[in-house]
Amino acid sequence: DAGVIQSPRHEVTEMGQEVTLRCKPISGHDYLFWYRQTMMRGLELLIYFNNNVPIDDSGMPEDRFSAKMPNASFSTLKIQPSEPRDSAVYFCASSAPGLAVTTDTQYFGPGTRLTVL
Amino acid sequence: GNSVTQMEGPVTLSEEAFLTINCTYTATGYPSLFWYVQYPGEGLQLLLKATKADDKGSNKGFEATYRKETTSFHLEKGSVQVSDSAVYFCALSDYSGAGSYQLTFGKGTKLSVIP
Repeated sequence: DAGVIQSPRHEVTEMGQEVTLRCKPISGHDYLFWYRQTMMRGLELLIYFNNNVPIDDSGMPEDRFSAKMPNASFSTLKIQPSEPRDSAVYFCASSAPGLAVTTDTQYFGPGTRLTVL
Repeated sequence: GNSVTQMEGPVTLSEEAFLTINCTYTATGYPSLFWYVQYPGEGLQLLLKATKADDKGSNKGFEATYRKETTSFHLEKGSVQVSDSAVYFCALSDYSGAGSYQLTFGKGTKLSVIP
Protein backbone atom coordinates (compact mmCIF):
# COMPACT_ATOMS: atom_id res chain seq x y z
CA ASP A 1 0.00 0.00 0.00
CA ALA A 2 1.34 3.43 -0.94
CA GLY A 3 0.05 5.12 2.19
CA VAL A 4 -1.45 8.59 2.29
CA ILE A 5 -0.10 10.70 -0.56
CA GLN A 6 0.17 14.48 -0.40
CA SER A 7 1.27 16.97 -3.00
CA PRO A 8 3.16 19.14 -3.30
CA ARG A 9 5.71 18.39 -0.57
CA HIS A 10 6.87 21.98 -0.53
CA GLU A 11 5.09 25.12 -1.68
CA VAL A 12 6.43 28.65 -1.64
CA THR A 13 4.07 31.40 -2.68
CA GLU A 14 3.52 35.09 -2.28
CA MET A 15 0.93 36.71 -0.10
CA GLY A 16 -2.41 37.00 -1.85
CA GLN A 17 -1.95 33.99 -4.09
CA GLU A 18 -4.22 30.98 -4.10
CA VAL A 19 -2.75 27.76 -2.74
CA THR A 20 -4.16 24.27 -3.28
CA LEU A 21 -2.95 21.28 -1.31
CA ARG A 22 -3.86 17.77 -2.39
CA CYS A 23 -4.36 14.49 -0.61
CA LYS A 24 -5.02 10.91 -1.67
CA PRO A 25 -6.11 8.76 1.28
CA ILE A 26 -5.41 5.07 1.66
CA SER A 27 -7.80 3.05 -0.47
CA GLY A 28 -10.80 1.85 1.51
CA HIS A 29 -10.46 4.43 4.28
CA ASP A 30 -13.66 6.38 4.89
CA TYR A 31 -12.36 9.12 7.19
CA LEU A 32 -10.07 11.89 5.98
CA PHE A 33 -8.54 14.57 8.19
CA TRP A 34 -6.67 17.81 7.48
CA TYR A 35 -4.27 19.12 10.14
CA ARG A 36 -2.00 22.13 10.42
CA GLN A 37 1.25 22.04 12.40
CA THR A 38 3.11 25.14 13.62
CA MET A 39 5.67 25.71 16.33
CA MET A 40 3.38 28.09 18.17
CA ARG A 41 0.11 26.15 18.08
CA GLY A 42 1.26 22.58 17.61
CA LEU A 43 -0.97 20.19 15.67
CA GLU A 44 -4.47 21.47 14.96
CA LEU A 45 -7.35 19.64 13.32
CA LEU A 46 -8.82 21.81 10.58
CA ILE A 47 -11.58 19.65 9.13
CA TYR A 48 -12.52 16.04 8.65
CA PHE A 49 -14.70 14.06 6.29
CA ASN A 50 -16.58 10.81 6.58
CA ASN A 51 -17.58 9.13 3.33
CA ASN A 52 -16.69 12.33 1.47
CA VAL A 53 -19.01 14.46 3.62
CA PRO A 54 -17.54 17.18 5.87
CA ILE A 55 -18.37 16.32 9.47
CA ASP A 56 -16.63 19.03 11.46
CA ASP A 57 -15.00 22.13 10.03
CA SER A 58 -14.86 24.10 13.26
CA GLY A 59 -11.08 24.12 13.12
CA MET A 60 -10.91 25.96 9.82
CA PRO A 61 -9.40 29.27 10.83
CA GLU A 62 -11.11 31.62 8.41
CA ASP A 63 -13.26 31.82 5.31
CA ARG A 64 -10.06 31.99 3.31
CA PHE A 65 -9.72 28.25 3.96
CA SER A 66 -11.90 25.71 2.18
CA ALA A 67 -11.73 21.94 1.75
CA LYS A 68 -13.44 19.54 -0.59
CA MET A 69 -13.60 15.82 -1.10
CA PRO A 70 -15.19 15.17 -4.49
CA ASN A 71 -14.62 11.42 -4.28
CA ALA A 72 -13.25 8.75 -1.98
CA SER A 73 -9.73 9.01 -3.33
CA PHE A 74 -9.08 12.74 -3.45
CA SER A 75 -9.32 15.81 -1.26
CA THR A 76 -8.11 19.39 -1.54
CA LEU A 77 -7.43 22.14 0.95
CA LYS A 78 -7.47 25.58 -0.58
CA ILE A 79 -6.31 28.90 0.84
CA GLN A 80 -7.42 32.00 -1.02
CA PRO A 81 -5.91 34.53 -0.55
CA SER A 82 -2.89 33.23 1.32
CA GLU A 83 -1.17 35.20 4.08
CA PRO A 84 2.25 34.83 5.75
CA ARG A 85 0.62 33.54 8.95
CA ASP A 86 -0.65 30.54 6.97
CA SER A 87 2.92 29.26 6.74
CA ALA A 88 2.92 25.82 8.34
CA VAL A 89 3.10 22.13 7.59
CA TYR A 90 -0.26 20.75 6.50
CA PHE A 91 -0.94 17.06 7.05
CA CYS A 92 -3.61 14.83 5.66
CA ALA A 93 -4.55 11.62 7.47
CA SER A 94 -7.02 8.83 6.83
CA SER A 95 -8.56 6.01 8.81
CA ALA A 96 -11.10 3.22 8.54
CA PRO A 97 -12.71 2.87 11.99
CA GLY A 98 -15.23 0.21 11.11
CA LEU A 99 -16.87 -0.89 14.33
CA ALA A 100 -14.12 0.32 16.65
CA VAL A 101 -14.13 4.03 15.97
CA THR A 102 -12.29 5.19 19.03
CA THR A 103 -9.49 2.70 18.70
CA ASP A 104 -8.63 2.98 15.08
CA THR A 105 -5.40 4.41 13.80
CA GLN A 106 -5.05 7.54 11.73
CA TYR A 107 -2.42 7.19 9.01
CA PHE A 108 -0.64 10.40 8.18
CA GLY A 109 0.83 11.60 4.94
CA PRO A 110 4.29 13.18 4.76
CA GLY A 111 2.87 16.70 4.84
CA THR A 112 3.10 19.82 2.69
CA ARG A 113 5.40 22.55 3.96
CA LEU A 114 3.80 25.84 2.95
CA THR A 115 5.72 29.11 3.02
CA VAL A 116 3.86 32.32 2.25
CA LEU A 117 6.16 35.27 1.65
CA GLY B 1 -13.54 20.27 26.08
CA ASN B 2 -10.86 17.66 25.70
CA SER B 3 -7.20 18.49 26.21
CA VAL B 4 -3.83 16.78 26.41
CA THR B 5 -0.84 18.13 28.31
CA GLN B 6 2.59 16.65 27.86
CA MET B 7 5.95 17.60 29.26
CA GLU B 8 7.82 20.40 27.58
CA GLY B 9 10.89 19.56 25.59
CA PRO B 10 13.39 19.29 24.30
CA VAL B 11 14.67 16.23 26.12
CA THR B 12 18.27 15.17 25.55
CA LEU B 13 19.46 11.76 26.72
CA SER B 14 22.51 9.62 26.29
CA GLU B 15 22.16 6.31 24.50
CA GLU B 16 20.85 3.51 26.76
CA ALA B 17 19.34 5.98 29.25
CA PHE B 18 15.81 5.54 30.63
CA LEU B 19 13.10 7.66 29.06
CA THR B 20 9.89 9.02 30.55
CA ILE B 21 7.65 11.53 28.79
CA ASN B 22 4.71 12.59 30.91
CA CYS B 23 1.22 12.98 29.50
CA THR B 24 -2.01 13.88 31.27
CA TYR B 25 -5.42 14.41 29.76
CA THR B 26 -8.84 15.92 30.37
CA ALA B 27 -11.81 14.31 28.66
CA THR B 28 -15.46 13.55 29.04
CA GLY B 29 -16.47 9.96 28.61
CA TYR B 30 -13.98 7.18 28.04
CA PRO B 31 -11.38 8.14 25.49
CA SER B 32 -8.76 5.93 23.91
CA LEU B 33 -5.18 7.12 24.32
CA PHE B 34 -2.34 7.13 21.83
CA TRP B 35 1.32 7.95 21.40
CA TYR B 36 2.41 9.04 17.95
CA VAL B 37 5.98 9.60 16.80
CA GLN B 38 7.20 12.01 14.13
CA TYR B 39 10.65 11.50 12.65
CA PRO B 40 12.33 14.47 10.95
CA GLY B 41 10.66 15.39 7.68
CA GLU B 42 7.93 12.79 8.02
CA GLY B 43 4.31 12.54 9.05
CA LEU B 44 3.11 11.11 12.35
CA GLN B 45 3.12 7.35 12.92
CA LEU B 46 1.21 5.48 15.58
CA LEU B 47 3.61 4.17 18.22
CA LEU B 48 1.17 2.56 20.65
CA LYS B 49 -2.36 2.85 21.99
CA ALA B 50 -4.61 1.82 24.87
CA THR B 51 -8.38 1.68 24.81
CA LYS B 52 -9.42 1.37 28.44
CA ALA B 53 -8.25 1.88 32.01
CA ASP B 54 -5.24 -0.21 33.08
CA ASP B 55 -4.48 -1.26 29.51
CA LYS B 56 -0.80 -1.16 28.61
CA GLY B 57 0.24 -0.29 25.07
CA SER B 58 3.67 -1.36 23.90
CA ASN B 59 5.75 -1.27 20.74
CA LYS B 60 9.48 -1.15 19.85
CA GLY B 61 10.43 -1.21 23.54
CA PHE B 62 8.14 1.70 24.41
CA GLU B 63 5.32 1.28 26.93
CA ALA B 64 2.49 3.38 28.34
CA THR B 65 -0.26 2.47 30.79
CA TYR B 66 -3.73 4.04 30.77
CA ARG B 67 -4.21 5.38 34.33
CA LYS B 68 -7.77 6.61 34.79
CA GLU B 69 -7.29 7.58 38.43
CA THR B 70 -4.48 9.98 37.58
CA THR B 71 -5.69 10.72 34.01
CA SER B 72 -2.24 9.93 32.72
CA PHE B 73 -0.58 7.97 29.91
CA HIS B 74 3.16 8.39 30.43
CA LEU B 75 5.53 7.02 27.80
CA GLU B 76 8.55 4.99 28.95
CA LYS B 77 11.45 3.13 27.43
CA GLY B 78 14.16 1.37 29.37
CA SER B 79 17.08 2.01 27.02
CA VAL B 80 16.87 4.61 24.27
CA GLN B 81 18.80 4.51 21.03
CA VAL B 82 19.98 7.26 18.70
CA SER B 83 17.31 6.11 16.24
CA ASP B 84 14.61 7.05 18.79
CA SER B 85 15.36 10.74 18.26
CA ALA B 86 12.04 12.22 17.15
CA VAL B 87 9.06 14.24 18.34
CA TYR B 88 6.53 12.31 20.44
CA PHE B 89 2.85 13.26 20.62
CA CYS B 90 0.32 12.10 23.16
CA ALA B 91 -3.28 12.08 21.93
CA LEU B 92 -6.78 11.03 22.88
CA SER B 93 -9.66 9.90 20.73
CA ASP B 94 -13.14 11.13 21.38
CA TYR B 95 -16.11 9.59 19.66
CA SER B 96 -19.35 11.45 20.23
CA GLY B 97 -21.62 9.51 17.93
CA ALA B 98 -23.20 10.22 14.54
CA GLY B 99 -19.85 9.93 12.78
CA SER B 100 -18.19 12.53 14.98
CA TYR B 101 -14.69 11.35 15.76
CA GLN B 102 -11.39 13.14 16.22
CA LEU B 103 -8.02 13.06 17.89
CA THR B 104 -6.82 15.74 20.29
CA PHE B 105 -3.02 16.05 20.39
CA GLY B 106 -0.55 17.37 22.92
CA LYS B 107 2.05 19.85 21.73
CA GLY B 108 4.77 17.26 21.28
CA THR B 109 8.04 16.53 23.04
CA LYS B 110 11.26 16.53 21.08
CA LEU B 111 13.69 13.80 22.09
CA SER B 112 17.34 13.84 21.09
CA VAL B 113 19.50 10.83 21.92
CA ILE B 114 23.25 11.31 21.75
CA PRO B 115 25.79 8.49 21.36
